Amino acid sequence: EAGVTQFPSHSVIEKGQTVTLRCDPISGHDNLYWYRRVMGKEIKFLLHFVKESKQDESGMPNNRFLAERTGGTYSTLKVQPAELEDSGVYFCASSSGQGGYEQYFGPGTRLTVT
Amino acid sequence: AQSVTQLGSHVSVSEGALVLLRCNYSSSVPPYLFWYVQYPNQGLQLLLKYTTGATLVKGINGFEAEFKKSETSFHLTKPSAHMSDAAEYFCAVSDRRSSYKLIFGSGTRLLVRP
Repeated sequence: EAGVTQFPSHSVIEKGQTVTLRCDPISGHDNLYWYRRVMGKEIKFLLHFVKESKQDESGMPNNRFLAERTGGTYSTLKVQPAELEDSGVYFCASSSGQGGYEQYFGPGTRLTVT
Repeated sequence: AQSVTQLGSHVSVSEGALVLLRCNYSSSVPPYLFWYVQYPNQGLQLLLKYTTGATLVKGINGFEAEFKKSETSFHLTKPSAHMSDAAEYFCAVSDRRSSYKLIFGSGTRLLVRP
């Protein structure tokens, strides 16, 4: 069974540019989460999808971030326009249920905004 | 609000020595608790979890953790460290009131000396 995959693994962009991160969850997992780790800080929640619906986007920093999950499969996270403070590692995780179910994490996308 | 505190951003042990990584949590409801490990250039991998039942939880690679409600702790231990245990370890609590998103501690980097 394939795990959670994320693309790209690294992205370096200039301030003001747009970047789109992609996450492919484990097949059949309805729950998809995005997290972010800014350098030196803890991993923080961004948002949660159940199938194609956003259940919780309380962690999204501002309206420069837009997440989608069309068809309830893969998800994209777009940052437009990128700012310096957006640099960090973006993780995607999926799970088959909520509560005590394990969230399976992807390897992350390292975003550097210069 | 729920929170997780990991004491010690870096812990160094000798190979063969006891590993003890500390985690304290704050939660107004019975917590679901997790330990994840991140090896270099990889995603987060679940070591173990506590949901209900037995308070001593055994995980992969010889790790275990004990849920102590009275101390609000969930410390991770391993009797004998191996060089391959060198990684960053994250304690997390699942937010049962909001999408079961994970709330992470700041992480502890474990160094194993030969």
